[in-house]
Amino acid sequence: QLQLQESGPGLVKPSETLSLSCAVSGGSISSCSYCWGWMRQSPGLGLEWIGSICCGGSTYYNPSLTSRVTVSADMSKNQFSLKMTSVTAADSAVFYCTRNPPAVYYFDYWGQGTLVAVSS
Amino acid sequence: QSALTQPASVSGSPGQSITISCTGTSSDVGTYNFVSWYQQYPGKAPKLMIYEVTKRPSGVSDRFSASKSGNTASLTISGLQTDDEGDYYCSSFAGSNTIFGPGTKVTVL
Repeated sequence: QLQLQESGPGLVKPSETLSLSCAVSGGSISSCSYCWGWMRQSPGLGLEWIGSICCGGSTYYNPSLTSRVTVSADMSKNQFSLKMTSVTAADSAVFYCTRNPPAVYYFDYWGQGTLVAVSS
Repeated sequence: QSALTQPASVSGSPGQSITISCTGTSSDVGTYNFVSWYQQYPGKAPKLMIYEVTKRPSGVSDRFSASKSGNTASLTISGLQTDDEGDYYCSSFAGSNTIFGPGTKVTVL
């Protein structure tokens, strides 16, 4: 059974960089069968797709966030990561790591989510 | 792209059928057959219930069905059960982005 588990700081200061990791078990991120990515959810913004990394390292980002986010993968650790720069309070949210089949836009596996607050 | 539009709440009695609408535009729902629906319980991650407009993932009850007409997609839950209570989100591909509706709270009376 595939499992995704997010990890990272629960508190980030404004203007700093938010960094999260997602450990994958029960499946390999190095196969080209799926893309791996991030979603966030907050009362103000609702659910928002952040970005995904797919076969060969191809990345796709939400146009509204593309200047501030990077999704990368570490095949040796079977995990992938999110970096979001210059965060503000508006970036506070529950962040989920996700899996989606390539070239189709639905997310069939989700991590349990991790709450990140941006505050000084 | 703007978010999709959903009713804030829908309710029904056990055994009844309810339908949740999801209205987009010709730039998303109206053009792409990449509409999906998610169920979310409080404090839990969303769960995929429908993908590519009408398809159900393995393990999802056939009481859940969906369709699309023009710029509006719909999710129908038939034979409503108490564990159907939760929030339901629609999603659509929108060309360079995947967008979501604000969610509909389903209450079983």
